[in-house]
Amino acid sequence: ILNVEQSPQSLHVQEGDSTNFTCSFPSSNFYALHWYRWETAKSPEALFVMTLNGDEKKKGRISATLNTKEGYSYLYIKGSQPEDSATYLCALDNYGQNFVFGPGTRLSVLP
Amino acid sequence: GAVVSQHPSRVICKSGTSVKIECRSLDFQATTMFWYRQFPKQSLMLMATSNEGSKATYEQGVEKDKFLINHASLTLSTLTVASAHPEDSSFYICSASSRTGGNEKLFFGSGTQLSVL
Repeated sequence: ILNVEQSPQSLHVQEGDSTNFTCSFPSSNFYALHWYRWETAKSPEALFVMTLNGDEKKKGRISATLNTKEGYSYLYIKGSQPEDSATYLCALDNYGQNFVFGPGTRLSVLP
Repeated sequence: GAVVSQHPSRVICKSGTSVKIECRSLDFQATTMFWYRQFPKQSLMLMATSNEGSKATYEQGVEKDKFLINHASLTLSTLTVASAHPEDSSFYICSASSRTGGNEKLFFGSGTQLSVL
């Protein structure tokens, strides 16, 4: 059974602070990892699809890195804004056979 | 933690067959469930939002007569792919929202791989 973990479970930062959180997954037979941003009452917004070891992707103030050998991905937010407040989900894509989501990291950015 | 069970995990069927996928919230009541479609190495694409006791809300471009959604109880939503064709082959995944103590969380099923021959 694949297990995807995320830490921390929740995070409170001040506006302007930079922050990062972690997604951990089994390193064997890696296929792809997805990051999503989810706000209550909305559907998850796709942020990144990470496929190669060493991948680093960026979207505005948000970036992500991938280490498939050790089984982790980091999501970074530079200069957090209140509108960044959301739950950030990672999901391990298991060769299209199943999709295992982590429990999410809930980010609150205080003005 | 909350668990969402999705069955079956894999379906192989002939063209023209209707396929039913179930999504159950095992230990919580889900007033809202979501259905997604995903192609290899691409992100989830929301198909519809399903609210218990009412008609599902479909995203633009999703045929409601093709993808029939029923959310008859607080723990069960079903997606039926009517008269499936090879172009319907894809990975389908559901999620259910749970609200406790003012916080809402989203829990996902493990997905259904549909292959239409």
